[in-house]
Amino acid sequence: GDSVTQMEGPVTLSEEAFLTINCTYTATGYPSLFWYVQYPGEGLQLLLKATKADDKGSNKGFEATYRKETTSFHLEKGSVQVSDSAVYFCALSDQNEGADGLTFGKGTHLIIQP
Amino acid sequence: GAVVSQHPSWVICKSGTSVKIECRSLDFQATTMFWYRQFPKQSLMLMATSNEGSKATYEQGVEKDKFLINHASLTLSTLTVTSAHPEDSSFYICSARGYAVNEQFFGPGTRLTVL
Repeated sequence: GDSVTQMEGPVTLSEEAFLTINCTYTATGYPSLFWYVQYPGEGLQLLLKATKADDKGSNKGFEATYRKETTSFHLEKGSVQVSDSAVYFCALSDQNEGADGLTFGKGTHLIIQP
Repeated sequence: GAVVSQHPSWVICKSGTSVKIECRSLDFQATTMFWYRQFPKQSLMLMATSNEGSKATYEQGVEKDKFLINHASLTLSTLTVTSAHPEDSSFYICSARGYAVNEQFFGPGTRLTVL
């Protein structure tokens, strides 16, 4: 079945550091890929997505590129801020671009120190 | 963006009792709602998908008689954990999708602790 593997946390960085959170996946066919973010006390929010190979999703300075050859969708940001502290989930959907049930990774807790 | 609420945010109950969790879409009509379960340091696992006015579709391994899902209106879905036991203790999260929208909007989750 489908699965998503992402790096274990917590990841602790200083403000303005470069961020990479690795995500790899296993799926049949051509899934859509997502990054969700969860701030304390809030629900998961869609951060970015890519629906086909070589697509780049981007939002709020975050980027991720759908790499079919390496089955990866790593999240990057050039300069993190304290407000980026949250839990980040990588996810995939093999149907309907995410409008149906999602398969999630375990989440990576990101801590940004001033 | 669209807002989804859950109630209660946390609940503690005795073993053998039933617990109902509500999921509401506050500013849009949710044609489909999803229920997920999350164990500590684990990923969210899809439990079931419900479409308004029809029976829920459960994922393999999820007991439909244990986890009763009702989606009676376009803004409300409920999950009832029947005869709860300590192993049912978990974080339950719902999400909702509206008409012709390829995105799910998530609630903040409900922490269930069964003593």
